[in-house]
Amino acid sequence: GAGVSQSPSNKVTEKGKDVELRCDPISGHTALYWYRQSLGQGLEFLIYFQGNSAPDKSGLPSDRFSAERTGGSVSTLTIQRTQQEDSAVYLCASSSASGSSSYEQYFGPGTRLTVT
Amino acid sequence: GNSVTQMEGPVTLSEEAFLTINCTYTATGYPSLFWYVQYPGEGLQLLLKATKADDKGSNKGFEATYRKETTSFHLEKGSVQVSDSAVYFCALIALGGATNKLIFGTGTLLAVQP
Repeated sequence: GAGVSQSPSNKVTEKGKDVELRCDPISGHTALYWYRQSLGQGLEFLIYFQGNSAPDKSGLPSDRFSAERTGGSVSTLTIQRTQQEDSAVYLCASSSASGSSSYEQYFGPGTRLTVT
Repeated sequence: GNSVTQMEGPVTLSEEAFLTINCTYTATGYPSLFWYVQYPGEGLQLLLKATKADDKGSNKGFEATYRKETTSFHLEKGSVQVSDSAVYFCALIALGGATNKLIFGTGTLLAVQP
């Protein structure tokens, strides 16, 4: 079946502009995660959704970052007033909610964000 | 807090050599442990996992054993191939929290030469 998809695959934006990154999880997966991969910080957790609610937003680096999920499916990560340090690959992952397979997260290909 | 430490890369091996990538962790309780692999130009893929002490995860000739006594989860393969060249990430999920978020090590680049 279809895996996790993300769009756009690449995004170049000017400092100060807002960007929206989209994630389409695997159908039926109720858990959705956003991570960021950057040279300086490695792979770091940003936010977790269970259904449409976000019980863990602890990884969002500042209030310029926000995310939402609608219909228990698609999620959008928004970065306002982008800064150069926001340049990174943003990864989305999904998993099923129950059983041992709930620990298995399936990752999308990522969105490479470059802030100039 | 919870953390993962893995050996610095790059690791450069000749084809058919034995591979070990060390990984140790710090966590409260008994986490689930994972190895993820990122091939050039591709996304992260789950390679193997172990959810309790003494479990051995295995896949594609790779193995790792969950060692509670040494808080380790070292990745091994008996005979590497050029196609194994990739970045390998050790990770954990600390159970009992509100989320099953993955905590990753810094990654180890493996380069296998023919």
